[in-house]
Amino acid sequence: EAQVTQNPRYLITVTGKKLTVTCSQNMNHEYMSWYRQDPGLGLRQIYYSMNVEVTDKGDVPEGYKVSRKEKRNFPLILESPSPNQTSLYFCASSSPSRGNTEAFFGQGTRLTVV
Amino acid sequence: AQSVTQLDSQVPVFEEAPVELRCNYSSSVSVYLFWYVQYPNQGLQLLLKYLSGSTLVKGINGFEAEFNKSQTSFHLRKPSVHISDTAEYFCAVRRGETSGSRLTFGEGTQLTVNP
Repeated sequence: EAQVTQNPRYLITVTGKKLTVTCSQNMNHEYMSWYRQDPGLGLRQIYYSMNVEVTDKGDVPEGYKVSRKEKRNFPLILESPSPNQTSLYFCASSSPSRGNTEAFFGQGTRLTVV
Repeated sequence: AQSVTQLDSQVPVFEEAPVELRCNYSSSVSVYLFWYVQYPNQGLQLLLKYLSGSTLVKGINGFEAEFNKSQTSFHLRKPSVHISDTAEYFCAVRRGETSGSRLTFGEGTQLTVNP
């Protein structure tokens, strides 16, 4: 089954404690992205990757890092989380070879930073 | 730069009534347009998309949308809603080129269908 898998689904952490949210896709997609969803703001892109070792900032990259060492994985790293990073995070993947069509989304990771 | 505005944050309707969720976009280049639905505690699922061709696009679950280039709108419609359509709906735009993967989303519209 084609899917984007995020882990964990729920995470509560303390300010300053480094964490990683993993994202993996099994569709051999070149493009992967991270979004955060906040009430009244919709989804905002944090980082995206056009292929292995190619990443770029989205609209709200401050406080986040990403890496793309393998095509299927695109982890999101919070080196020193702060309460304003409490949010719902989504990973997505897509492929330009399919005519720049839809993005496939993971189930989301709800992060709470206290 | 591109932006998306969903004109209604909340839309309450009664079951079997028609509904329209409004979306306007701004972009200096041609775009691809999408509507996604998010059911409670789930990820986003594609409802429909406009890439080119016919301006009336049909999607899943009986939804359709019309691309209006002159009004830069992509409103979502359904002639008769069900309780199960209660969800949050997002309009999104992607620039019409193959480079980059940036989807710009609207703020979302919460559709609540009441019995």
